[in-house]
Amino acid sequence: DADVTQTPRNRITKTGKRIMLECSQTKGHDRMYWYRQDPGLGLRLIYYSFDVKDINKGEISDGYSVSRQAQAKFSLSLESAIPNQTALYFCATSEREVGRGRNLDTQYFGPGTRLTVL
Amino acid sequence: GQNIDQPTEMTATEGAIVQINCTYQTSGFNGLFWYQQHAGEAPTFLSYNVLDGLEEKGRFSSFLSRSKGYSYLLLKELQMKDSASYLCAVRDQRSNYQLIWGAGTKLIIKP
Repeated sequence: DADVTQTPRNRITKTGKRIMLECSQTKGHDRMYWYRQDPGLGLRLIYYSFDVKDINKGEISDGYSVSRQAQAKFSLSLESAIPNQTALYFCATSEREVGRGRNLDTQYFGPGTRLTVL
Repeated sequence: GQNIDQPTEMTATEGAIVQINCTYQTSGFNGLFWYQQHAGEAPTFLSYNVLDGLEEKGRFSSFLSRSKGYSYLLLKELQMKDSASYLCAVRDQRSNYQLIWGAGTKLIIKP
């Protein structure tokens, strides 16, 4: 079974609709992230959460909101979708690993949700 | 500001060696990551460098020079399955230690 799952995997919606993308993980990690990926651009961070009570805006949070319902669940909402939110969305998790002078905090990604806003 | 540059696309031959470069500009460097991403799939972790030098892991090696703001990923004995995009990401203290990602290098392997 996959450690990080995302639902739905594909979604087509219309401008103005409210959309929720869900992410669940069984890795037991405290940290969770939402990114979007667009052709020709690097992954861009939307929101991140270091634990259930901690939510932080990323580089491009406008037009998005999140909810950390439990350690294992992190949802991304588009309150009123617009066409330029068409993208591939990834959820990721990490756990801080410190040792031997290294701070790894490796991120593990879900399979992605392809969202199209018409 | 922060800027990460990688070549957009590279082509190499099966069995050969290829080096993918990444340059970055940040005043809050706190580590550099390489990820592999096959088309339509999730990125997967390859390597991490925080000190200068070479980190070797099987057919893949990653090098870092902090003074030059430069890293490379070296892939040896190329296989067709290595056809993928390779993403360079820098952790930046000024972004609350979050990763800043390059656009990725698409590597095409030819027989």
